[in-house]
Amino acid sequence: EPEVTQTPSHQVTQMGQEVILRCVPISNHLYFYWYRQILGQKVEFLVSFYNNEISEKSEIFDDQFSVERPDGSNFTLKIRSTKLEDSAMYFCASSDGGAPEGKLFFGSGTQLSVL
Amino acid sequence: QQPVQSPQAVILREGEDAVINCSSSKALYSVHWYRQKHGEAPVFLMILLKGGEQKGHEKISASFNEKKQQSSLYLTASQLSYSGTYFCGTEKVNYGQNFVFGPGTRLSVLP
Repeated sequence: EPEVTQTPSHQVTQMGQEVILRCVPISNHLYFYWYRQILGQKVEFLVSFYNNEISEKSEIFDDQFSVERPDGSNFTLKIRSTKLEDSAMYFCASSDGGAPEGKLFFGSGTQLSVL
Repeated sequence: QQPVQSPQAVILREGEDAVINCSSSKALYSVHWYRQKHGEAPVFLMILLKGGEQKGHEKISASFNEKKQQSSLYLTASQLSYSGTYFCGTEKVNYGQNFVFGPGTRLSVLP
């Protein structure tokens, strides 16, 4: 069964450093998402991406965050200058349909630890 | 605005039933249900699109009352494998791409 792939599975970085989290969505999907989950807490929406542009973003997704689909297969999340509070599990998801019908397929996540 | 879920946590014995509720202060166009096992990614269970619609997945079913802006997830004759955190999700605006999840309901099924 096709799946969403995320790399790396774990990322440790120093505060103020830039990180890039990578995702390979399911190949025929058109809608892409980033979510994050602080340990034991809810899954928080960050951003959605469709047709090579951001379609929605949350209040969390400030100027420190950016997304890109550089080559038609990868979907990346960049955090320019990491803060301690960015430590979380980051999930990428893709969908073959937009809301309200498209179901989300999640990757296994990247655990980001900011020291 | 994220949806609200209740209860926060449920502990069951294998074979018992449970109901998890999801409600929203705004009009709902659809409700999604996902299950997340510890240390894993959320996994899709079902989408409900119409008022009063019910769907089923194994012995898990759900209803959606559009007028009341509520959805309920029914777990019948629960199995150990049902343990996990259940999230309902809705889009922030109709046909928007801002899909938000509720805070989750942690379900523990004991033998």
